[in-house]
Amino acid sequence: NAGVTQTPKFQVLKTGQSMTLQCAQDMNHEYMSWYRQDPGMGLRLIHYSVGAGITDQGEVPNGYNVSRSTTEDFPLRLLSAAPSQTSVYFCASSLQVNQPQHFGDGTRLSIL
Amino acid sequence: EDQVTQSPEALRLQEGESSSLNCSYTVSGLRGLFWYRQDPGKGPEFLFTLYSAGEEKEKERLKATLTKKESFLHITAPKPEDSATYLCAVQAPGNQFYFGTGTSLTVIP
Repeated sequence: NAGVTQTPKFQVLKTGQSMTLQCAQDMNHEYMSWYRQDPGMGLRLIHYSVGAGITDQGEVPNGYNVSRSTTEDFPLRLLSAAPSQTSVYFCASSLQVNQPQHFGDGTRLSIL
Repeated sequence: EDQVTQSPEALRLQEGESSSLNCSYTVSGLRGLFWYRQDPGKGPEFLFTLYSAGEEKEKERLKATLTKKESFLHITAPKPEDSATYLCAVQAPGNQFYFGTGTSLTVIP
């Protein structure tokens, strides 16, 4: 099983550029989520989805958009990148919202 | 405000020296508490889920316990391969998850 796959693994952007971080899972999980991990801050929830066509905001949603057109895919869009969005981004999925989450290996994003 | 606090931030143990990691939370209406292990450059890996006070889960050298305000991860006779960062997460009402900043564990041979 591939589990949760995130692409790209590394990315450097310039301020103001936009990009999409990809996340795919092959476990038929209903719940998917995006986190950012910053030193001293822990993982913080950006957006989540409880199923195809349903998304909602987490703790730090500003500057990010998501959509969930299929069960498998949950892309995260940065609309206009800012240096404050430099972070490691993790995608996760679980069978249901109250079940353990499976994490991808992250995307390391630097914004200059 | 919902909050999760882990202590200590870092812990160095000799191989075989048992200890405990703490996770305290102020989330109202806890739906579940999760422990994860994270190795450098990797995503968190699930260890345990606890849903109600008094519950305990055990796996190899690790044992997790839960009270109404905190959880402990007990490590018995640790080995160097147990070195990692251990993360605690709580599920609050409204499908929100809050993570602590983790405890970085180093086990010295």
